[in-house]
Amino acid sequence: GAVVSQHPSRVICKSGTSVKIECRSLDFQATTMFWYRQFPKQSLMLMATSNEGSKATYEQGVEKDKFLINHASLTLSTLTVTSAHPEDSSFYICSAPAAGTSGYGYGYTFGSGTRLTVV
Amino acid sequence: KNEVEQSPQNLTAQEGEFITINCSYSVGISALHWLQQHPGGGIVSLFMLSSGKKKHGRLIATINIQEKHSSLHITASHPRDSAVYICASAGWGGSEKLVFGKGTKLTVNP
Repeated sequence: GAVVSQHPSRVICKSGTSVKIECRSLDFQATTMFWYRQFPKQSLMLMATSNEGSKATYEQGVEKDKFLINHASLTLSTLTVTSAHPEDSSFYICSAPAAGTSGYGYGYTFGSGTRLTVV
Repeated sequence: KNEVEQSPQNLTAQEGEFITINCSYSVGISALHWLQQHPGGGIVSLFMLSSGKKKHGRLIATINIQEKHSSLHITASHPRDSAVYICASAGWGGSEKLVFGKGTKLTVNP
């Protein structure tokens, strides 16, 4: 079935540095990728939607200059957290719509997530 | 604006029990998704429903479009079912973003 491979799974970085998270679609083309953030014991919050070959659409309150999204190909979308601060520490996860997921029709497949800790 | 609410927030069961998790939403949707999030954070898509009922192994998902309500049932629950179960609604169109419920944390004790 459709799989999204997300890397890294865990990263610890120093405050002020940048971190890049990659999501690759395997065996299917992801024209759209959703990027979510999840704080402890809270629900997934959509940060932005990336579309191959065009600019990402950011949700209200998400700084586009801080969370850089690139979707240069049909199989790769990246999220770069620039000048990371401790408050950016969170669980980041990507998701793509993919035919055949959920076993039944047009569902969504999720990456395994990246746990970012900024110290 | 669509709002998705789940109940209960936390659920503890004994192995073998029948589990029901409920989800309600406020506006018409194209589909309702049930997701499973494991303790490590990974998310698995369980079902996508637009009407009726679907079954996959011990999992059953139902949806009532008129009442804007969906349920996820687990029969013969097992400790490995322990996870957070999340429902999410999808708007119209193939790539509409999902609106998530806050999740139900299920713990199944042996």
